[in-house]
Amino acid sequence: GAGVSQSPSNKVTEKGKDVELRCDPISGHTALYWYRQSLGQGLEFLIYFQGNSAPDKSGLPSDRFSAERTGGSVSTLTIQRTQQEDSAVYLCASSRAGGHDGELFFGEGSRLTVL
Amino acid sequence: GNSVTQMEGPVTLSEEAFLTINCTYTATGYPSLFWYVQYPGEGLQLLLKATKADDKGSNKGFEATYRKETTSFHLEKGSVQVSDSAVYFCALIRYSSASKIIFGSGTRLSIRP
Repeated sequence: GAGVSQSPSNKVTEKGKDVELRCDPISGHTALYWYRQSLGQGLEFLIYFQGNSAPDKSGLPSDRFSAERTGGSVSTLTIQRTQQEDSAVYLCASSRAGGHDGELFFGEGSRLTVL
Repeated sequence: GNSVTQMEGPVTLSEEAFLTINCTYTATGYPSLFWYVQYPGEGLQLLLKATKADDKGSNKGFEATYRKETTSFHLEKGSVQVSDSAVYFCALIRYSSASKIIFGSGTRLSIRP
């Protein structure tokens, strides 16, 4: 489809394992965001990519979290040595022109469960 | 820094009741303001927006007016329906070369038939 695609939709992993979450933004969108949504909580900003600018990593909760965006398109969020508190839905969103018009298009999220 | 504060939920109303979900913001300059909605089992989607003071955004019977004097963008609907049950997020963005959108904590709305 033409929307933001995230994979996997569900991931169950054991504590201490590494996980990778993938986001395919809408073609042509220059801005890409990762958010985390824990059960019953709001959106926690993680990282923001805008074109060729250095990413805004100010929301990453620890150095176990990292993200990259290859070729200005697909992004991967990596969580190393997962902990139970990492369990959440990880949302990716993309937008045109840095999101200046404010309309973000969200994927359906990747639900991560750390046992 | 920039921030958004919204009323805590959950909010429970009867069908056809009047809805207000409060949202206030802190920002330098002139941000644009948004309401996003997350229906059960779905991704977030833009509900409405306003880009300058006194603008009114509207969609699906919902309205919100950008009030610079009170730094507010309250969401209102005159007669809610069961299908409006969702989580509502207020958000802002400031226009700059590296701006990012900032969300409030969300307000869960439940409508009783």
